[in-house]
Amino acid sequence: RKEVEQDPGPFNVPEGATVAFNCTYSNSASQSFFWYRQDCRKEPKLLMSVYSSGNEDGRFTAQLNRASQYISLLIRDSKLSDSATYLCVVNWNSGTYKYIFGTGTRLKVLA
Amino acid sequence: SQTIHQWPATLVQPVGSPLSLECTVEGTSNPNLYWYRQAAGRGLQLLFYSVGIGQISSEVPQNLSASRPQDRQFILSSKKLLLSDSGFYLCAARDNYGYTFGSGTRLTVV
Repeated sequence: RKEVEQDPGPFNVPEGATVAFNCTYSNSASQSFFWYRQDCRKEPKLLMSVYSSGNEDGRFTAQLNRASQYISLLIRDSKLSDSATYLCVVNWNSGTYKYIFGTGTRLKVLA
Repeated sequence: SQTIHQWPATLVQPVGSPLSLECTVEGTSNPNLYWYRQAAGRGLQLLFYSVGIGQISSEVPQNLSASRPQDRQFILSSKKLLLSDSGFYLCAARDNYGYTFGSGTRLTVV
């Protein structure tokens, strides 16, 4: 089983739709979780951290399910500009210095 | 906030040639620094990380090496490039909010 797994997609959705991605992780000791966005041929950029209680930033909502070992990202009212690859990132414990990246889920928002 | 400077943006090198990619960091001191590679259509693979000057940890056996001669400088090198070294190379620094990435170097070995 991969350390961090994501559905590669692509998810093709119309403008205005709501779309959700999941990401599963294998290590139950994982402590830090993030979603990054990567545009084509660009570097990844932090979209949002994921907190245990769940958190929201505008149209984006991130949630953590420790029992089932997955995190999710919900995007409401999709915009064309949301088209990108969304990377899930997990850190096993705060004492280590490396984060594990998923291979990403590609989203295409269609006009 | 920290800023990562990485150059060059693109590079085409022949097989067997040497490589040196440089990354410098602004806006922070004693950062944890990382080199990642992203092959076409694949995820980010951690190559090296450094927690301080002269301290390098390698994640995968490979044709590459890394050095950290100064606190805010991280260098990725190779003596002889292979075709399989082609990819998108990203330098990153970590702070309490996650990773900040440089804009990357797209390397094509021909």
